Amino acid sequence: NAGVTQTPKFRVLKTGQSMTLLCAQDMNHEYMYWYRQDPGMGLRLIHYSVGEGTTAKGEVPDGYNVSRLKKQNFLLGLESAAPSQTSVYFCASSYPSPLHFGNGTRLTVT
Amino acid sequence: GQQLNQSPQSMFIQEGEDVSMNCTSSSIFNTWLWYKQDPGEGPVLLIALYKAGELTSNGRLTAQFGITRKDSFLNISASIPSDVGIYFCAGVNSGYALNFGKGTSLLVTP
Repeated sequence: NAGVTQTPKFRVLKTGQSMTLLCAQDMNHEYMYWYRQDPGMGLRLIHYSVGEGTTAKGEVPDGYNVSRLKKQNFLLGLESAAPSQTSVYFCASSYPSPLHFGNGTRLTVT
Repeated sequence: GQQLNQSPQSMFIQEGEDVSMNCTSSSIFNTWLWYKQDPGEGPVLLIALYKAGELTSNGRLTAQFGITRKDSFLNISASIPSDVGIYFCAGVNSGYALNFGKGTSLLVTP
């Protein structure tokens, strides 16, 4: 049982480049989330989904888009990366509480 | 989301000492969760509290759901080096909306 799997683990982007972070869960959870973690800021919610085909904005959604085409997958996209998006990104899933987290994607935007 | 005040921000203790940390909020919550994050990994659930006044233990960890529903605390008894990490509290109202504290960083010296 893998739980929540995030890919890639590390990525370096140049300003203006785009990328998609992938999250997969095998626990049949309804809810999925994307958080970012920055030093001293704790975990901040970017977007979340309460079911297949649905998405909603969290606390810090600007500059990100998401899609939940399949129940087990939740994708986070950066259309035009900015240095302010340098962070560690965590995906999580739940049914509906508590959350189970992946091990994170460390993204650096230069 | 609602702001959670987690304290202390960091702790530096000797092995064998007991540890206490807490979370307070101006809003009430229906559920309190405590997570631990090891370096380079995602947060892992330690204890979930679902009822005001509830006191729950998990090994050397004990957590309580405050009777006002606006606070929670986590105690660690007889700390060991592997307790090192960042501890997060999270308050939940609706099933999927979590509000995280900014974390307590714990360092344990042998």
